[in-house]
Amino acid sequence: KQEVTQIPAALSVPEGENLVLNCSFTDSAIYNLQWFRQDPGKGLTSLLLIQSSQREQTSGRLNASLDKSSGRSTLYIAASQPGDSATYLCAPSEYGNKLVFGAGTILRVKS
Amino acid sequence: DGGITQSPKYLFRKEGQNVTLSCEQNLNHDAMYWYRQDPGQGLRLIYYSQIVNDFQKGDIAEGYSVSREKKESFPLTVTSAQKNPTAFYLCASSLGKITDTQYFGPGTRLTVL
Repeated sequence: KQEVTQIPAALSVPEGENLVLNCSFTDSAIYNLQWFRQDPGKGLTSLLLIQSSQREQTSGRLNASLDKSSGRSTLYIAASQPGDSATYLCAPSEYGNKLVFGAGTILRVKS
Repeated sequence: DGGITQSPKYLFRKEGQNVTLSCEQNLNHDAMYWYRQDPGQGLRLIYYSQIVNDFQKGDIAEGYSVSREKKESFPLTVTSAQKNPTAFYLCASSLGKITDTQYFGPGTRLTVL
C-alpha cells in the first residue's frame, strides 16, 4: 500500500527565502505526482503535475522535481512571499488516477 | 464560469441520520472523486467514478454511498453506518485519463452533533 511522507511537517521562514519541501513515497509504480496548495478551510489548488516520465516541472517561482526510482519529489519555492503561506500537499497517483496524499507541510512566510 | 461546486459549505447532522453532499462540475470531466480530510491528515479516497453509471470504492468506502446518474453530478451520502463522519469532504474531477490533473471543489464541512 502506498504511503506518502512529507518533511518538514511545518516550516516558518522570513520573506524572500528560497525553500524546499520534501515528499517521499514507498511505491515507485506511479503514473504522475501532483503538488497542491490548501488555504485554511478551503479546497485544494493544483500547483504542478509531473508525469512519471518527467524529471521536473516549473511554474513561475515554483519548481517540482521527481525521482521516481528513489520515491522522492521536492517542491522548490523561490523568493518566498507572505502570500505563499498555506499547507502544501504532495500526491502520487495510482492506477485509475487515484491520488494518495501526504499529511502536508504547513508553511508560514513572515513579512 | 467553469469549475466544481459543493453544497452546502457547512452541514450539521444528528447521530443516526443520513445526509447527502452535493458535487457538481461544468468542466465536462469524465472522472469524479470524493475525499475525506481529517485534521492534520492527508486526504483519503472514499469513492471514485470514471464514467457515468459506474463507480468504485476507494480506501474508506464503509458507511458511504454514491451515485453517478449524470456526468456533471456525483453526490455522496453519509449514512448512519459511518462511525465517525465529522470531517471535511472534498470533491474533485479530472478529464479521465490516468495522467490528468485533478481539480478540487471548495469542500463541505460535516459536523455530527
